[in-house]
Formats: sequence, C-alpha cells, structure tokens
Amino acid sequence: DAGVTQSPTHLIKTRGQQVTLRCSPKSGHDTVSWYQQALGQGPQFIFQYYEEEERQRGNFPDRFSGHQFPNYSSELNVNALLLGDSALYLCASSLGGRGIISYEQYFGPGTRLTVT
Amino acid sequence: DAKTTQPNSMESNEEEPVHLPCNHSTISGTDYIHWYRQLPSQGPEYVIHGLTSNVNNRMASLAIAEDRKSSTLILHRATLRDAAVYYCILHNYGQNFVFGPGTRLSVLP
Repeated sequence: DAGVTQSPTHLIKTRGQQVTLRCSPKSGHDTVSWYQQALGQGPQFIFQYYEEEERQRGNFPDRFSGHQFPNYSSELNVNALLLGDSALYLCASSLGGRGIISYEQYFGPGTRLTVT
Repeated sequence: DAKTTQPNSMESNEEEPVHLPCNHSTISGTDYIHWYRQLPSQGPEYVIHGLTSNVNNRMASLAIAEDRKSSTLILHRATLRDAAVYYCILHNYGQNFVFGPGTRLSVLP
C-alpha cells in the first residue's frame, strides 16, 4: 500500500517565478492538507481540500492556491515566489468525511523548495 | 498560537522509558490530544491520540490527566530510532492542526 507521495523531491526557483507541487494521497483517503515547514519550526497549515474544494485555509496569502482532482490527488501552486517561501512543503492525507470527529493524518516526505 | 506547551528538548538513554510531557490548560471538552513525531528528513508521523482515557498502541502510551489539562507520551523502551521531534497537538473536528515547535528527543546509546 503506497503511502502519501509528493513530487518533486527538491526544487530550485528564482524570485518572482511560479511553482507547482504535487501530492498523491494514501489509498482510500479523500482529504489532502498542505503545510509549510521552515527550518527549525513546526509545520504551518496552508489549506485543506475535500471533495475538490478548499475546506479550510490558514494564514497564507492568495499567492498560495491549490486544487484537488477527482482521484483525490492535489496540487499546491505558489505565484510570485519570495525568498521567504523557501521551506519544506508537506502534504498530508486523511479521511475527512462528515461525522468523523478526529483523524490521523499521513504525511508525505515533502518537497524542499529553495527560492534564490 | 499553538495551544500546547512542551519542553524544547529532552534526553534519554537507549532502552529506558521516556516520558514526554505536554501542557494544554485551555483544552475544551471536545478537543482530542494528538501526538506526532518527525524523524530527521521525513514528514511527521502519527503516534497516538486520545480524548479522556489513557491509550496504548504498538508505538507508545498516552496518559491523560484527570482534568485533561496535561498529558504524557510514554515510550516504554527508547531506541535510537526514536530520536525525533515530538509534537503534541489539540484537535477538534472542523479545525486545522496547529503544530508548535515540539520537543526534540535525543536518545543516547
């Protein structure tokens, strides 16, 4: 059973460029959350997708956007990259249907984004 | 604005038990207590979670205080592979996970 997969593993971009990161959830999971983790800090929640819609959003600017496809995979897009966007971007999947009070999240290995 | 407080770091000797504390004095009645850990160069990994009663699984035990204002993650026999950052998180349905800086556990051989 494949867990959460993310691509690419590493990425180097220049300020002002745009980037797309991809995530495939664990088999059977329908909800995908994205997190940004700066060096030495805990992950910070960006947003969550369920049923192809953004269900929750953290305190991130509109430059960060996402999408979820019918097969539950997801993309994270970041426009107009800033040096401060350099971080590890983590994807987590879970079961998020109504009636579930709390749930385990399964994290991928992350994509390391460096903005120069 | 994490709702939990954990020590920055702890040390343990290999094959000894480890008790990782977490304070959450503002916990609500429907908040679950989650523990995740992050091994070096990996994404966080689920460890255990509970609501009111103590919980056990193959990885660890979770002891929850009677007033639920604190909890302790117990690793019964620490191994070198348990060296990681451990996060204590309060979570309720409809909310997102808020990670604090966690506790960095070092395991000495």
